[in-house]
Amino acid sequence: DADVTQTPRNRITKTGKRIMLECSQTKGHDRMYWYRQDPGLGLRLIYYSFDVKDINKGEISDGYSVSRQAQAKFSLSLESAIPNQTALYFCATSDPRAGAYEQYFGPGTRLTVT
Amino acid sequence: AQSVAQPEDQVNVAEGNPLTVKCTYSVSGNPYLFWYVQYPNRGLQFLLKYITGDNLVKGSYGFEAEFNKSQTSFHLKKPSALVSDSALYFCAVRDHRESGGGADGLTFGKGTHLIIQP
Repeated sequence: DADVTQTPRNRITKTGKRIMLECSQTKGHDRMYWYRQDPGLGLRLIYYSFDVKDINKGEISDGYSVSRQAQAKFSLSLESAIPNQTALYFCATSDPRAGAYEQYFGPGTRLTVT
Repeated sequence: AQSVAQPEDQVNVAEGNPLTVKCTYSVSGNPYLFWYVQYPNRGLQFLLKYITGDNLVKGSYGFEAEFNKSQTSFHLKKPSALVSDSALYFCAVRDHRESGGGADGLTFGKGTHLIIQP
């Protein structure tokens, strides 16, 4: 969905490096999410944000941090990357105000930690 | 805690035949249920949802799903499969509580590879 963009699309980094993944949306949604996808495990929630001042941990937040710079921007950081953080990372948005709880996903960032 | 089970890692169907991809769920409150499709090297695309109302919901690309509360299931169906339907399908649930609280975000199943054979 072009309304949710992620940068970079692919990244290879070394163990111990700090890395930031960025997400921007033009849908005007207040809620934003970060998930990781691992083969055979589906998607798991890392962090979510109701608005700029409300950020919450998800199922697997250890080793990650986030920043909601504006309604449209939500960044995910790995302070010191490790190999088991190699995964496909997705950003998503939703707008429950209209009773629509479905989430809209970006194209993903494929991260490899060597 | 909420959970989703997709019991089949892979489903093989001949083109033109009906298809079913199974999903069962577990929540404490009211289930909001979703199906997503993922094509190779792409993000997830929303197909359909059940929030309330009719148990049979229709979505994109001719897909439909039936909510069955007694069996806690939300199976995805299509009357006539196309080769282009081949993809990875995810069922997801949100545990909706009228009183609020609890975590936001969706809980996903592990995914089912749907392969449509010409």
